[in-house]
Amino acid sequence: GGIITQTPKFLIGQEGQKLTLKCQQNFNHDTMYWYRQDSGKGLRLIYYSITENDLQKGDLSEGYDASREKKSSFSLTVTSAQKNEMAVFLCASSGTYAEQFFGPGTRLTVL
Amino acid sequence: GDSVTQTEGLVTLTEGLPVMLNCTYQTIYSNPFLFWYVQHLNESPRLLLKSFTDNKRTEHQGFHATLHKSSSSFHLQKSSAQLSDSALYYCALSAYLMSNYNVLYFGSGTKLTVEP
Repeated sequence: GGIITQTPKFLIGQEGQKLTLKCQQNFNHDTMYWYRQDSGKGLRLIYYSITENDLQKGDLSEGYDASREKKSSFSLTVTSAQKNEMAVFLCASSGTYAEQFFGPGTRLTVL
Repeated sequence: GDSVTQTEGLVTLTEGLPVMLNCTYQTIYSNPFLFWYVQHLNESPRLLLKSFTDNKRTEHQGFHATLHKSSSSFHLQKSSAQLSDSALYYCALSAYLMSNYNVLYFGSGTKLTVEP
C-alpha cells in the first residue's frame, strides 16, 4: 500500500496572491494529477505528469502552473488567486491501468 | 472525444430499496477501462469498482456493475441501500490511448442520499 499527502490542508489567500500546493506519494507511481473540485461541479483536471519533469495540461490549466521535480512529488501553483474563490484541490497518482488514488485535498479560500 | 455521462445528478432513496446509478460512455477505442469512485462527505474519492472485461459482473462492498460494450454502459447497482451509502458517486473512463492512457474522464457525478 501507499499514501498520498497534501500540504497544506487549508489555504487562505488574498486576491492576486501566488499560492503553492504540494503533494507527495509513496506508491512509486509514475503518473500524478491535480484536480479541482467545486461544490456541485465534479472533478476537473488541471495538470498531470507522466514522469519526472513531464507536464501535461488538463482542461483547466489556465491560471495554474505545475512542477514535477521528483517522481514522488507534484506541486501546483495558483498564479493569481481570484477573490471569493473557494475550491478543493485534489492530488492523485496512478499505476497500472489508470486506477487513481487520491490525497485528502487542500481547501482553498481566497479573501 | 472521450466522455462519460451520468444522467442523474441527485438520487434520493429509502433505506432498503435497490440502487441503480446510470453511467454511459463514449470512446472510439475498443478496450476501455471503466471505474466507479465513491466520495463521502469531507473525504476524497476512492475506488469502488473497476472493469475492462465485457459482460462480466464485478462486485465490491455490496455494489456491482457490468461493463456492456454493446450499449457503452457501466451502471452501478446494489440490491438494498444503506444509510452509509449516502455519498457522491463518479463514473470514470480510461480509453487506454498510447500517449495519455493514464487520463481518466470523469462523469459529473451522482449524489446519492439514502433516507431512513
